[in-house]
Amino acid sequence: GAVVSQHPSWVICKSGTSVKIECRSLDFQATTMFWYRQFPKQSLMLMATSNEGSKATYEQGVEKDKFLINHASLTLSTLTVTSAHPEDSSFYICSALDITGELFFGEGSRLTVL
Amino acid sequence: AQTVTQSQPEMSVQEAETVTLSCTYDTSESNYYLFWYKQPPSRQMILVIRQEAYKQQNATENRFSVNFQKAAKSFSLKISDSQLGDTAMYFCASGGSGAGSYQLTFGKGTKLSVIP
Repeated sequence: GAVVSQHPSWVICKSGTSVKIECRSLDFQATTMFWYRQFPKQSLMLMATSNEGSKATYEQGVEKDKFLINHASLTLSTLTVTSAHPEDSSFYICSALDITGELFFGEGSRLTVL
Repeated sequence: AQTVTQSQPEMSVQEAETVTLSCTYDTSESNYYLFWYKQPPSRQMILVIRQEAYKQQNATENRFSVNFQKAAKSFSLKISDSQLGDTAMYFCASGGSGAGSYQLTFGKGTKLSVIP
């Protein structure tokens, strides 16, 4: 079946640094990808919708300058957490929509900010 | 706006038995989709079953079936012949119509433990 890969799966960084998380659709093209955030033992919260070749659409309350999303190709979307702080520590999950309308999730990326 | 409520934080079931997970939702969309996702310890979300709101027939996928009560805005998941591999977090989710179909709103999840 279709595979969505996230990299890195786990990253630890110092406060104030920026971290980039990649979301790749390995065997299909995805014009639309979604980024979610999941706190421990909590639900997934939609952060933004990423469309290839255009600006991402952010959900209310999500800082677009804090969470930079780039969808430069049909198989790659990146989420950059800028000037990360401990409160940004979370599990970030992407999903990608294929041409048939099926949605596939990545394995998630755990961010720990010290 | 959409809201999804799962009132059972944790549930357990004996292997081979049947268990039902509850979900209620609220939406302003005229047409929408409902989903159940499974999140095992590996954390990857796996689609269990999907229901289109305009379809009255309840969706079924092997051991998994739903009881969709549109008027009551209820969407429960029944797992028959529970297996150890069913142990996971289960999330109920709703999506809008058209381009918003996959901008999912998730419930808080139900942690299901299947006991040998």
